[in-house]
Amino acid sequence: AQRVTQPEKLLSVFKGAPVELKCNYSYSGSPELFWYVQYSRQRLQLLLRHISRESIKGFTADLNKGETSFHLKKPFAQEEDSAMYYCALSGISGYSTLTFGKGTMLLVSP
Amino acid sequence: DGGITQSPKYLFRKEGQNVTLSCEQNLNHDAMYWYRQDPGQGLRLIYYSQIVNDFQKGDIAEGYSVSREKKESFPLTVTSAQKNPTAFYLCASSIPGTTGKAVGYTFGSGTRLTVV
Repeated sequence: AQRVTQPEKLLSVFKGAPVELKCNYSYSGSPELFWYVQYSRQRLQLLLRHISRESIKGFTADLNKGETSFHLKKPFAQEEDSAMYYCALSGISGYSTLTFGKGTMLLVSP
Repeated sequence: DGGITQSPKYLFRKEGQNVTLSCEQNLNHDAMYWYRQDPGQGLRLIYYSQIVNDFQKGDIAEGYSVSREKKESFPLTVTSAQKNPTAFYLCASSIPGTTGKAVGYTFGSGTRLTVV
């Protein structure tokens, strides 16, 4: 089955610690992968896309086709990074729909 | 101010009633989507529309219906056939990317539906 797996429901770290939010996918074609973030009381918003290879708010994510992973990383976590993070894959359910993982809540403590 | 507007923010439904959730966008996006968000379940696709007067079922379409009469609007009706309608509903829109896949979605602020 084609799916997105985020194995951690909750990740708790201290400020300044490195962060890695895991995402694995299953897809038969050439995937397009995204990370979305939802801060408290805010809308879900796009954080980054693998195709643009950009770094947003210090976060990066590399697509590893061999391991079918797209882990989100940040070397030094900040308290304002606390949010719900969703990994998403394009192309599973039709022309241009996104399939989301179940999400990982990141809590950064002072 | 461009964006997606969902209304109402909170909605209460009695058993056996149909309710309609509104979604309007002024981004000139062709594609629109409805997702359901439940705790621990992530986002699941209900319906989507690539163009006016056309829409397709997503992964959990049973008990829901949509229409796309205008590019700007994509209302979702939760019918009495939906067995567990209490959830947070998110609407999104996008322009297709050059590969035919979405370049990213813009989301609304959501509607929380509660069955009473």
